Amino acid sequence: EVHLAESGGGLVQPGGSLRLSCAASGFTFSSHLMQWVRQGPGKGLVWVSQITSDGRSSNYADSVKGRFTISRDNTKSTVDLHMSSLRAEDTAVYFCVRGSLSVRNVSDHWGQGIQVTVTS
Amino acid sequence: DIVMTQSPESLAVSLGERATIHCKSSQSVLFGPGDKHYLAWYQQKAGQSPRLLIYWTSIRESGVPDRFSGSGSGTDFTLTINSVQAEDVAVYYCQQYFDIPPTFGQGTKVDIK
Repeated sequence: EVHLAESGGGLVQPGGSLRLSCAASGFTFSSHLMQWVRQGPGKGLVWVSQITSDGRSSNYADSVKGRFTISRDNTKSTVDLHMSSLRAEDTAVYFCVRGSLSVRNVSDHWGQGIQVTVTS
Repeated sequence: DIVMTQSPESLAVSLGERATIHCKSSQSVLFGPGDKHYLAWYQQKAGQSPRLLIYWTSIRESGVPDRFSGSGSGTDFTLTINSVQAEDVAVYYCQQYFDIPPTFGQGTKVDIK
């Protein structure tokens, strides 16, 4: 069974940093593109970033470009999101998401999500 | 970025009735070879993470009940829930995955009347 478990969320002050991690199991991690998607309080879904299966290429939403960095370790089946220069508007539940093997950019399994709150 | 616009924002239907949700993309999400539209639908129940329902406009993900169906072409797409059940109460999102960034509609909340 596919399982995605996020960790590392919490409360942080504006301008601070936080590192989210996602531990994957139940599938061949190194074959899948991985994504982070966030959802602000009472809001909809917003794609944040994704990284290819081999880790060689990544993409970012304009709102986080230059502040967030996605990385992965295929030996440990983990994908991280390093967030810096955090702003109040980054407050959200962050979901670790698996990309479909057969349909590029479609998100076929989601973690339970982890809360990130940016406040002074 | 491709903007996805859903309507209505919310709807309430009686058990067993049909629910129809519309999604419009700001530009075509059609990829020529195979004439596939890069359009997916997700369901998010309260307090849960989203679940993929449909991709390529009309292909149901494994395990999704056949009362859920998708259709559309060009820039206009529809999710239909035939014979709505109590467990279908959720927010539904369309998403285009034609381009980076993948973008979602704002969501449509489905309730029971």
